[in-house]
Amino acid sequence: QSLLTQPPSVSGAPGQRVTISCTGSSSSIGSFDVHWYQQLPGTAPKVLIYGNNNRPSGVPDRFSGSKSGTSASLAITGLQPEDEADYYCQSYDSNLRGYVFGTGTKVTVL
Amino acid sequence: QLQLQESGPGLVKPSETLSLTCTVSGGSISSIENSWAWIRQPPGKGLEWIGTRYYSGSTSFNSSLKSRVTVSIDTSKNQFSLKLSAVTAADTAVYYCARLADYYDSRSYSIGRYFDYWGQGTLVTVS
Repeated sequence: QSLLTQPPSVSGAPGQRVTISCTGSSSSIGSFDVHWYQQLPGTAPKVLIYGNNNRPSGVPDRFSGSKSGTSASLAITGLQPEDEADYYCQSYDSNLRGYVFGTGTKVTVL
Repeated sequence: QLQLQESGPGLVKPSETLSLTCTVSGGSISSIENSWAWIRQPPGKGLEWIGTRYYSGSTSFNSSLKSRVTVSIDTSKNQFSLKLSAVTAADTAVYYCARLADYYDSRSYSIGRYFDYWGQGTLVTVS
């Protein structure tokens, strides 16, 4: 049972900007940082954003993250065909005393 | 560059114990900055954290699985392992091992952990 809620899908044309929301609670996102992962079809997840808005080396600056209160967002600007993938947010939940993932969002490039 | 590789049986019978090993290369599994985790993904579904062994030696587990999970480390082989007992069809999933990395953000003064290196995953079917 995931306690981080994401929209099931978002879509956009190449070059457009899309955003993915991640809604948690005071015991998760409200208290801890959010991280984002990209999962291309048939592959393992890869970290895109850590600590709310930090990009690991090699991640394009088209990807950006933000957090406010008990919600977070991932934005993809200049959408490209290779961005078609599943995206997951992740945080820690103090009530559960464990790491939690979002429900996942499928991004489709039209 | 750290690399992780899962291995183990792809088919397990109901009520038996699932056993997987993660072999780490490119770094020491016992290094002080390294904590290790198991995560799974049922076919067509989302990610679920199973458990973590911290570099301190302590462990933590998903409360829904805690009574059935064991995570151990073998420093001589640079491996860590997962055992999940009394499996059912609901445990059918791709199982990933991952490193849990610590970070400090000097701009926001926040500290935290995230999964920075992942194995390719291995499908385990319970049937």
